[in-house]
Amino acid sequence: NAGVTQTPKFQVLKTGQSMTLQCAQDMNHNSMYWYRQDPGMGLRLIYYSASEGTTDKGEVPNGYNVSRLNKREFSLRLESAAPSQTSVYFCASTSGWSTDTQYFGPGTRLTVL
Amino acid sequence: GNSVTQMEGPVTLSEEAFLTINCTYTATGYPSLFWYVQYPGEGLQLLLKATKADDKGSNKGFEATYRKETTSFHLEKGSVQVSDSAVYFCALPTFNAGGTSYGKLTFGQGTILTVHP
Repeated sequence: NAGVTQTPKFQVLKTGQSMTLQCAQDMNHNSMYWYRQDPGMGLRLIYYSASEGTTDKGEVPNGYNVSRLNKREFSLRLESAAPSQTSVYFCASTSGWSTDTQYFGPGTRLTVL
Repeated sequence: GNSVTQMEGPVTLSEEAFLTINCTYTATGYPSLFWYVQYPGEGLQLLLKATKADDKGSNKGFEATYRKETTSFHLEKGSVQVSDSAVYFCALPTFNAGGTSYGKLTFGQGTILTVHP
């Protein structure tokens, strides 16, 4: 039982390059989330998926796209990376109830030059 | 909508000191309340939670009581250890206009705790 896994762990991009961050969970959770964490800003929700086949914008969706490939996998794509997207990205999942715990992946540290 | 205000840090303590990190919330009704902890280089993990008013959550020597009268959920530990050095986040559910959360959470800004030997 691996929980929530994310790849890659580290990535350096040049401005304008694209990349996809991968996330998978093995807990049969309905809901999945992508956050970014910046110093002094706490965690900000980028996109979430309440169930397989649905996605919705969070607090800071501009510059990102997501795909809920199946119940296990939820990917985050940067089409044209910008230095402002330098951050640590976390994927999380939960069953979807407001009383339940969110389980987080280990994070991806992204630097855009 | 629901919101949470967390004590600003950083907090620096000596080993065996008493710890309090303040968290107050604004919410409709009595949603669940959570404390998450993030150790260096890791993702967040649940530390404790309380799912209804007046409940006390506890784990690893940490405690927090859901106090609806003061809309607070302060985190406490009687004797901190160096291994408790981490960032601590208070959180509560975020609901849409239809009253569904889909498990979404609103997090506080985080409090950095450093414990010295």
